[in-house]
Amino acid sequence: GENVEQHPSTLSVQEGDSAVIKCTYSDSASNYFPWYKQELGKGPQLIIDIRSNVGEKKDQRIAVTLNKTAKHFSLHITETQPEDSAVYFCAALSGGGADGLTFGKGTHLIIQP
Amino acid sequence: GAVVSQHPSWVICKSGTSVKIECRSLDFQATTMFWYRQFPKQSLMLMATSNEGSKATYEQGVEKDKFLINHASLTLSTLTVTSAHPEDSSFYICSARAPGTSGVRTYNEQFFGPGTRLTVL
Repeated sequence: GENVEQHPSTLSVQEGDSAVIKCTYSDSASNYFPWYKQELGKGPQLIIDIRSNVGEKKDQRIAVTLNKTAKHFSLHITETQPEDSAVYFCAALSGGGADGLTFGKGTHLIIQP
Repeated sequence: GAVVSQHPSWVICKSGTSVKIECRSLDFQATTMFWYRQFPKQSLMLMATSNEGSKATYEQGVEKDKFLINHASLTLSTLTVTSAHPEDSSFYICSARAPGTSGVRTYNEQFFGPGTRLTVL
């Protein structure tokens, strides 16, 4: 099955700086890679995703890059704000989408004012 | 759009009792729903995949007789934790997948509910 590794487990950055979270996956058949933001006591919220036929996707301050050859993908948040503080999870989906997602262990992002 | 609700948001029960959690897709039909479990400060672990009108598929190590899943309609799946014990205390989260492509919705997107906090005394 799929295995997703995520680093770092905790990331502290100054407000206004950029944050980068990296994930690797093991199943070369995986073709969909979403990123979720989870606030305390709430369910995960999809913030951006990328499919295997695309190398990069951007949505305002958030971007995701995918390197299929190396089997890794990254989340980039620029101009960080206090409300960006949360736990971020990467995930991978293999096959035709009939399966559940395999999640990374999460990154606790702390934005220092 | 793409809203998924869960009920209840939290529940406290005595050991040995059963608890039912509902997951509803409010504005789309979900042929497939997923149930995840999340322990404190840990990641989400897939428990089972629920397809409308058929039996759920459970992940290895998840007891199907303990975690009963019913997906009776395209907008509702239920998870029943039978004979709950303190070690079943966790955050249970469902997600729903929209079928095919419709407007901005694509095949692979999963939308998560807000979760249900279960505490077994």
